[in-house]
Amino acid sequence: AQTVTQSQPEMSVQEAETVTLSCTYDTSESDYYLFWYKQPPSRQMILVIRQEAYKQQNATENRFSVNFQKAAKSFSLKISDSQLGDAAMYFCAYLSMDSNYQLIWGAGTKLIIKP
Amino acid sequence: GAVVSQHPSRVICKSGTSVKIECRSLDFQATTMFWYRQFPKQSLMLMATSNEGSKATYEQGVEKDKFLINHASLTLSTLTVTSAHPEDSSFYICSASGLAGEGSYNEQFFGPGTRLTVL
Repeated sequence: AQTVTQSQPEMSVQEAETVTLSCTYDTSESDYYLFWYKQPPSRQMILVIRQEAYKQQNATENRFSVNFQKAAKSFSLKISDSQLGDAAMYFCAYLSMDSNYQLIWGAGTKLIIKP
Repeated sequence: GAVVSQHPSRVICKSGTSVKIECRSLDFQATTMFWYRQFPKQSLMLMATSNEGSKATYEQGVEKDKFLINHASLTLSTLTVTSAHPEDSSFYICSASGLAGEGSYNEQFFGPGTRLTVL
């Protein structure tokens, strides 16, 4: 069974600085997707970025980028120029192509932005 | 982008009553819908997966007779918490995946959640 591990329960960063959130996963599948979701205090889940496992190029979305290391089964999220609105819970998730497209979730990392 | 709504956003009920939560995909056909439960400061816990027109598949430990899921159309799924008790108080989130554009089969679109409080 697949597992997702986020080893940082909480991270803090100064506004305008860069922060990296860690995520590792375990799987025997070769084809899958990885996601980072943001859950602000409103609790609405918001997709931040998506990575297809078959793509070697790291995904980027404006200030958000990932470092995808398939062999190491690592999928970290880098947030550049951190803004106050980035404060939220961040969840790493693995999409299993073989299990009705279920998402396997990490425990989450609470990101605090210091003004 | 694909939009999923949930109703109600918040509900308070007495112990022993049943509560229905609706999840609607507003601008796409959701072939699969997922129901999650989230406790404070924790991750999402998958309760069940439902495909349109089929019986829901429940995760281990989730009582199917207590959490009734119906996915009768491609735009609507309902979760009914029967004979609710205080321990059922939680935040319930639905998500949907389906025909919402290129690659959407591999992405879940989330509703805003429903906070259930059972007195």
